[in-house]
Amino acid sequence: DAKTTQPPSMDCAEGRAANLPCNHSTISGNEYVYWYRQIHSQGPQYIIHGLKNNETNEMASLIITEDRKSSTLILPHATLRDTAVYYCIVRVGTNAGKSTFGDGTTLTVKP
Amino acid sequence: GAVVSQHPSWVICKSGTSVKIECRSLDFQATTMFWYRQFPKQSLMLMATSNEGSKATYEQGVEKDKFLINHASLTLSTLTVTSAHPEDSSFYICSARDGNFEGSPLHFGNGTRLTVT
Repeated sequence: DAKTTQPPSMDCAEGRAANLPCNHSTISGNEYVYWYRQIHSQGPQYIIHGLKNNETNEMASLIITEDRKSSTLILPHATLRDTAVYYCIVRVGTNAGKSTFGDGTTLTVKP
Repeated sequence: GAVVSQHPSWVICKSGTSVKIECRSLDFQATTMFWYRQFPKQSLMLMATSNEGSKATYEQGVEKDKFLINHASLTLSTLTVTSAHPEDSSFYICSARDGNFEGSPLHFGNGTRLTVT
């Protein structure tokens, strides 16, 4: 799996958009970008994923650069409950694809 | 949405005893499940890949005789920590892939907090 690089921590004001970057410069053509988050003492929660195109769901938007070497997770209106560790994972899309977790970004949403 | 249930959510056991943790996919079938371990203030570490009907695949450095994995059905995988010791105290998390389509994401259980006294 390709390695990812994320900033260790970020702050965001409540109600504002949170933009979390991820660098995956060694990504291969068949590898997807996945975002998960982990709230303290819980299992990770799936947020969104994509291959080439930008994606949006009810939780967030995922912007992938054209060369696919980086991506940004956007939480459009952050709330206090969005405070968590956010993990950017790159892996192949087949069933054999294992997910390797780095240290993630600790997002703190402040009132 | 896809739900992965893990049981128990926490367990305390004495040193030398064995503990079984269950991971169930509630509304989908999973031929493959993954087991992770997480120590305080650290990231998730993949321990093993559980394969339905065949042997699990363990990551380097994980003792297969200590962490027994059984994946007897398409909705259930179990992790048994044998002869547990205090250093096995950790947060154990399982995951399963929802769907067989290309790129389908993993869904995680809520974890099991194991404390060995």
